[in-house]
Amino acid sequence: EIVLTQSPATLSLSPGEGATLSCRASQSVSSFLGWYQQKPGQAPRLLIYDASNRATGIPARFSGSGSGTDFTLTISSLEPEDFAVYYCQQRSSWPLTFGGGTKVEIK
Amino acid sequence: EVQLVESGGGLVQPGGSLRLSCAASGFTFTTYSMNWVRQAPGKGLEWVSIISGTANTMYYADSVKGRFTISRDNAKNSLYLQMNSLSVEDTAVYYCARETERFLRDWGQGTLVTVSS
Repeated sequence: EIVLTQSPATLSLSPGEGATLSCRASQSVSSFLGWYQQKPGQAPRLLIYDASNRATGIPARFSGSGSGTDFTLTISSLEPEDFAVYYCQQRSSWPLTFGGGTKVEIK
Repeated sequence: EVQLVESGGGLVQPGGSLRLSCAASGFTFTTYSMNWVRQAPGKGLEWVSIISGTANTMYYADSVKGRFTISRDNAKNSLYLQMNSLSVEDTAVYYCARETERFLRDWGQGTLVTVSS
């Protein structure tokens, strides 16, 4: 099973600041990595697929990068609606696995 | 518009069974693999199972293998999860999700399963 480790666990930032979230895989997942956003009481929403492609309707302030074992989700300038929990997920091999999540909270 | 609506959750005793359903609309159901993902209270996301569009391929998380069975009825645009031998560790919100290009693009609102005596 591929283990995804996300860091930091919590990120305390102010609106307008940039955010950098990390996801590290225990073995290579090539570019088969996605990022999801989840707000309290809501289902997750796909932000990024194949490491760097924005899903339909996702604002340009969200970007993804990386390949192999190290991946980054960058939010260029935080909007109030971006404070949420973010998960990475690999689709390289079974079972599918998610990272433990990074909570982006208001400072 | 894609819609996924889960149902069937509720309170069940340890060792009991439950069958979840997911009604799909707004897309050609047979074309897509469908997944179940769960989230224990206050915890992260855990993938549970996937079934291909034609139902000829299924995969399961080790934590549910042998206890849960995923199935679908393409004539009814419905996805199912039969859960047997439930334990308190299975308590979670269960989401169905449509896979598009390998990732989970569309999700239902979830149904809560509580396993407790």
